[in-house]
Amino acid sequence: EPEVTQTPSHQVTQMGQEVILRCVPISNHLYFYWYRQILGQKVEFLVSFYNNEISEKSEIFDDQFSVERPDGSNFTLKIRSTKLEDSAMYFCASTSRGGYGYTFGSGTRLTVV
Amino acid sequence: GQQVMQIPQYQHVQEGEDFTTYCNSSTTLSNIQWYKQRPGGHPVFLIQLVKSGEVKKQKRLTFQFGEAKKNSSLHITATQTTDVGTYFCAGSGNTGKLIFGQGTTLQVKP
Repeated sequence: EPEVTQTPSHQVTQMGQEVILRCVPISNHLYFYWYRQILGQKVEFLVSFYNNEISEKSEIFDDQFSVERPDGSNFTLKIRSTKLEDSAMYFCASTSRGGYGYTFGSGTRLTVV
Repeated sequence: GQQVMQIPQYQHVQEGEDFTTYCNSSTTLSNIQWYKQRPGGHPVFLIQLVKSGEVKKQKRLTFQFGEAKKNSSLHITATQTTDVGTYFCAGSGNTGKLIFGQGTTLQVKP
């Protein structure tokens, strides 16, 4: 079964550093998303991406965050200057039809120290 | 903005007992989806409901979508230890993004 692949599985970074989280969505999917989940809490929407541009973003997705699809396969989330409160599990998801049946990756656990 | 509320937050049952989690949206939804997340895992898509009053079954799991398309429920009959995890409902409005409920964590005692 096709999978969404995320790397790295765990990233530890110092406060103020930049991090890039990487995702390879399912190849024929057109809609891409980033969500985050602080430990034990609900899954929170960050951003949706379609046709090479951001479709929608949440209040969490401020100027410190950016997304890119640099080639035909990768989808990245960049946090420019990490804060302690950015520590969370970050999930990438994709779907062939917007808003329907997401496939999530295994996530990247980001720890900011 | 759109909110999706889910209750209960936790449920402990004896193996063989039934389990139900309820989901309510502050706005009418175009569809509602259910996901299961095992401890330490990622959300896994279970099912999607689109039509008003729709009922779908997957073996011991029964999913319902309310007539007003603002509420939903998941019922598990005769729970097993493999049912352990957190069950999330997620509502989709017109924009396509999913808003997740807080989840119901199910523990099953053997």
